[in-house]
Amino acid sequence: EPEVTQTPSHQVTQMGQEVILRCVPISNHLYFYWYRQILGQKVEFLVSFYNNEISEKSEIFDDQFSVERPDGSNFTLKIRSTKLEDSAMYFCASRGTARDTQYFGPGTRLTVL
Amino acid sequence: AQSVSQHNHHVILSEAASLELGCNYSYGGTVNLFWYVQYPGQHLQLLLKYFSGDPLVKGIKGFEAEFIKSKFSFNLRKPSVQWSDTAEYFCAVIAPAGNKLTFGGGTRVLVKP
Repeated sequence: EPEVTQTPSHQVTQMGQEVILRCVPISNHLYFYWYRQILGQKVEFLVSFYNNEISEKSEIFDDQFSVERPDGSNFTLKIRSTKLEDSAMYFCASRGTARDTQYFGPGTRLTVL
Repeated sequence: AQSVSQHNHHVILSEAASLELGCNYSYGGTVNLFWYVQYPGQHLQLLLKYFSGDPLVKGIKGFEAEFIKSKFSFNLRKPSVQWSDTAEYFCAVIAPAGNKLTFGGGTRVLVKP
């Protein structure tokens, strides 16, 4: 069964450093998402991406964040200058059509020191 | 603000007991409703979803949920739980004309053998 994969599973970085979180969505899917979950809090939406552009973003997704689909298979989330409060589990998701389910990856745990 | 609420943060029960997890949402209009489960160490997986039609939805692993529009609720049920149902359960909603998931806070369920 196809699945969404994410790398790395854990990332530790120093405050102010750039990080790139990588996702490989399910191959024939068209819609891509990033969510995050800060420890003890709700899973919250960051951004959705369709047809090579951002279709929606949350207030959290400020200028420090960017997404890219560089090669038709990977979907990346970049945080330019990490802050302590960016420490969270980051989930990638993808879906095929408008009425399809969003399938989630296993997450990347980001720790900012 | 539009939101999704799960009534219980933690539930502890014994094997063979019945389980019901509450979920309420505050959106008007036609919503899409989901229950996801996260087993220890695993990623979010879809248990069941409601888009339209029969308000009683059957999902995987013996779970079902009932959409009650007048109560803005989508409660999850299982008549007889097993130890392997120990997990965190998340209710989620896609708002009318939206494409992002808005999650409830999750309910941690511990099934004692």
